[in-house]
Amino acid sequence: GQSLEQPSEVTAVEGAIVQINCTYQTSGFYGLSWYQQHDGGAPTFLSYNALDGLEETGRFSSFLSRSDSYGYLLLQELQMKDSASYFCAVIGSGGYQKVTFGTGTKLQVIP
Amino acid sequence: NAGVTQTPKFRVLKTGQSMTLLCAQDMNHEYMYWYRQDPGMGLRLIHYSVGEGTTAKGEVPDGYNVSRLKKQNFLLGLESAAPSQTSVYFCASSYSTSGHTDTQYFGPGTRLTVL
Repeated sequence: GQSLEQPSEVTAVEGAIVQINCTYQTSGFYGLSWYQQHDGGAPTFLSYNALDGLEETGRFSSFLSRSDSYGYLLLQELQMKDSASYFCAVIGSGGYQKVTFGTGTKLQVIP
Repeated sequence: NAGVTQTPKFRVLKTGQSMTLLCAQDMNHEYMYWYRQDPGMGLRLIHYSVGEGTTAKGEVPDGYNVSRLKKQNFLLGLESAAPSQTSVYFCASSYSTSGHTDTQYFGPGTRLTVL
């Protein structure tokens, strides 16, 4: 089975940098993804790490360390519109593509 | 392209009633998924499909049935609704057929209340 743990809430100041952590226990997976979800909206894809290391996409970066069973999402130059929930997800390697989501981190950006 | 669409957007049912949620995608994706999302919890996979005519159980399949008669459509059925099925239901699709990752595209969600 797979389980993923994230902090439930994080608060950060506009313009700052925030890191959202994700620790996981899984028997095997292809990679770690991150999704953003605004209140009342649908999840949208942010980034994916198939290999260890850092992936950068504009203001967002994501990191994976398989040896530490750990990943994080880094948001730079925070904007008010970044206030949302962020979910990590692992893509299982058990034959078919099955995705398991973490419980999510609610990020509040304050002025 | 409309992407992933879901109907209806909102629905209120009484205990014991049945209904079908429809998901449609116009991106020619092989994989389709149904999730439910409850307050304070992440998305939990109900059922998924890796291609037309095939379905499989996810993490929380009890009380739900699905069908994928056409590649572009994935239906989720509740035969006898229960209050525990009050939730927001999201459909998603992805392209990959290799078992490796691909971006999941989500529909706008269906907010279901069972009284």
